[in-house]
Amino acid sequence: EIVMTQSPATVSVSPGERATLSCRASQSISYNLAWYQQKPGQAPRLLIYGASTRATGIPARFSGSGSGTEFTLTISSLQSEDFALYYCQQYDRWPPITFGQGTRLEIK
Amino acid sequence: QVQLQESGPGLVKPSQTLSLTCTVSGGSINSDDYYWSWIRQPPGKGLEWIGYLYYSGNTYYNPSLKSRLTISLDTSKNQFSLKLSSVTAADTAVYYCARGRRYHGGDFDYWGQGTLVTVSS
Repeated sequence: EIVMTQSPATVSVSPGERATLSCRASQSISYNLAWYQQKPGQAPRLLIYGASTRATGIPARFSGSGSGTEFTLTISSLQSEDFALYYCQQYDRWPPITFGQGTRLEIK
Repeated sequence: QVQLQESGPGLVKPSQTLSLTCTVSGGSINSDDYYWSWIRQPPGKGLEWIGYLYYSGNTYYNPSLKSRLTISLDTSKNQFSLKLSSVTAADTAVYYCARGRRYHGGDFDYWGQGTLVTVSS
């Protein structure tokens, strides 16, 4: 099973600033990584797939990078609606598909 | 616009079988482009993939749940279902159904709103 580790568990950033979230895979997953945003009481929403491709309707301030075992989600110029939980997910080798434990992005 | 909707009992007794159905609208479940999936989230915790179902009937299960799990398809109703047997309190979670994109490798582009299932006597 591929273990996904996200860091930090919580990050505090001021509106208008940039947030950087990290995700590490226990073995190489090439570019087979997705990022999701989850708000309280809602289902996750797909933000990024293929490590760096924005999903339909996702604003350009969201960007993903990385390959192999190290990945980053960057949110430039944070808006109030961006404060949420973020999960990474690998789909390189499965079953099982695995998720990171999540990073909470909170307002500083 | 594709929509997924979970349905089923919100309370299940320990040792019994949890049964949920996902109804898909706005698109056919009988497509080779997608996997149909169940994912769960215990209260206050992260996401756990339960399993995938392909339109052909092929299934892929999380090894940690495989011995208790059945996912099946009803193409006539555009639905797929989850059965998890011998449940315990550890199975208490919000259960989501989701569409996985086969040609992208397995990311999830559409999700149901989720349904909370509590295991308690």
